[in-house]
Amino acid sequence: KAGVTQTPRYLIKTRGQQVTLSCSPISGHRSVSWYQQTPGQGLQFLFEYFSETQRNKGNFPGRFSGRQFSNSRSEMNVSTLELGDSALYLCASSPGGTSNEKLFFGSGTQLSVL
Amino acid sequence: TQLLEQSPQFLSIQEGENLTVYCNSSSVFSSLQWYRQEPGEGPVLLVTVVTGGEVKKLKRLTFQFGDARKDSSLHITAAQPGDTGLYLCAGAFRNSGYALNFGKGTSLLVTP
Repeated sequence: KAGVTQTPRYLIKTRGQQVTLSCSPISGHRSVSWYQQTPGQGLQFLFEYFSETQRNKGNFPGRFSGRQFSNSRSEMNVSTLELGDSALYLCASSPGGTSNEKLFFGSGTQLSVL
Repeated sequence: TQLLEQSPQFLSIQEGENLTVYCNSSSVFSSLQWYRQEPGEGPVLLVTVVTGGEVKKLKRLTFQFGDARKDSSLHITAAQPGDTGLYLCAGAFRNSGYALNFGKGTSLLVTP
């Protein structure tokens, strides 16, 4: 079974631009979560989708948005990029999205904002 | 967002030593998970604990969940260089829906 795939692996953008990150979950998994990881703040929850519906959202500004498609693939978008958005963005999938389930993480997209 | 405190933040030990990493919260966890992350990769689940007082063992790793379900510890016996990595605890809380709250992690370096 293929793991969680995130593309692109690395991304360099400048302030004010927007970016779209992609995540393909493990086949059969219906829940996809997104996390931002920085050295200072650790992993912070962005949002979680299940069957195309956003079920939970973290404390991030509206510049951060996401969506999930009918095949469970997910994208997240960050508009009007700021220097502080530089981080590793991790996507995780799980079968049913309950809080006790094992999360399967991708290798992440390393975003650098210049 | 509930806060998870992990300690220590950094740990550098020699091969063969024992160590313990702690994870604490002021709120009650409905469940708690421990993950290990290596550079350039996403976290990988080590264990999930659900019941207060629960103890789980994974080879040289022992995980404990506090009786009140507000704290957990990870003990590694006879650490090996392959144990090097970032250890993260992640808690689910009753009012957090489907979100896992992560601690900032303990960065462990085991030198030969």
